[in-house]
Amino acid sequence: QLQLQESGPGLVKPSETLSLTCTVSGGSISSSSYYWGWIRQPPGKGLEWIGSIYYSGSTYYNPSLKSRVTISVDTSKNQFSLKLSSVTAADTAVYYCARHGSKGDIWGQGTMVTVSS
Amino acid sequence: EIVMTQSPATLSVSPGERATLSCRASQSVSSNLAWYQQKPGQAPRLLIYGASTRATGIPARFSGSGSGTEFTLTISSLQSEDFAVYYCQQYNNWPPAWTFGQGTKVEIK
Repeated sequence: QLQLQESGPGLVKPSETLSLTCTVSGGSISSSSYYWGWIRQPPGKGLEWIGSIYYSGSTYYNPSLKSRVTISVDTSKNQFSLKLSSVTAADTAVYYCARHGSKGDIWGQGTMVTVSS
Repeated sequence: EIVMTQSPATLSVSPGERATLSCRASQSVSSNLAWYQQKPGQAPRLLIYGASTRATGIPARFSGSGSGTEFTLTISSLQSEDFAVYYCQQYNNWPPAWTFGQGTKVEIK
């Protein structure tokens, strides 16, 4: 059974870079059928797609965040990562990683990241 | 960029009644549409993919319909555990993108 688990700091200072990792278990991140992505949800608000990566390394980003986002994959560790630069309080959110498939997404449980000095 | 619009924002329904939620895409997404249910403090749960196929373990009272730009999620007889927020999500084939509607909250009337 595929499982995804987010990890990383829960508190980031304004102007710094938010870094999160998603560890995949129960399946290979190198599967050619899937994309791997990040989604976030500010407190009390809706879901926002941040970006996604194919196992080959091809990346696709939300245009509204593209200038600040980098997603990468480490197939040897079965992990993929998110970096969001120059964060502000508006980036405070629960961050989810997910596997995108033609039969819908499988999500991690999410991790709360607060941007505050 | 494809924009997804859900209506209504809030739906007040009595247990046992039928609920109908709408989702509109700014351009055709074919049948590349999923519905998710989210309860407080939980990750979204996949209900429907391919616009009309129930995910594994989802009760038959949940059904999805539509294609192109207009989609509907119907809950035939609301149970207490169905009161939650529902999101539609499109997954565009090319370039790949996964965008969400703003959500519909289904609350107890």
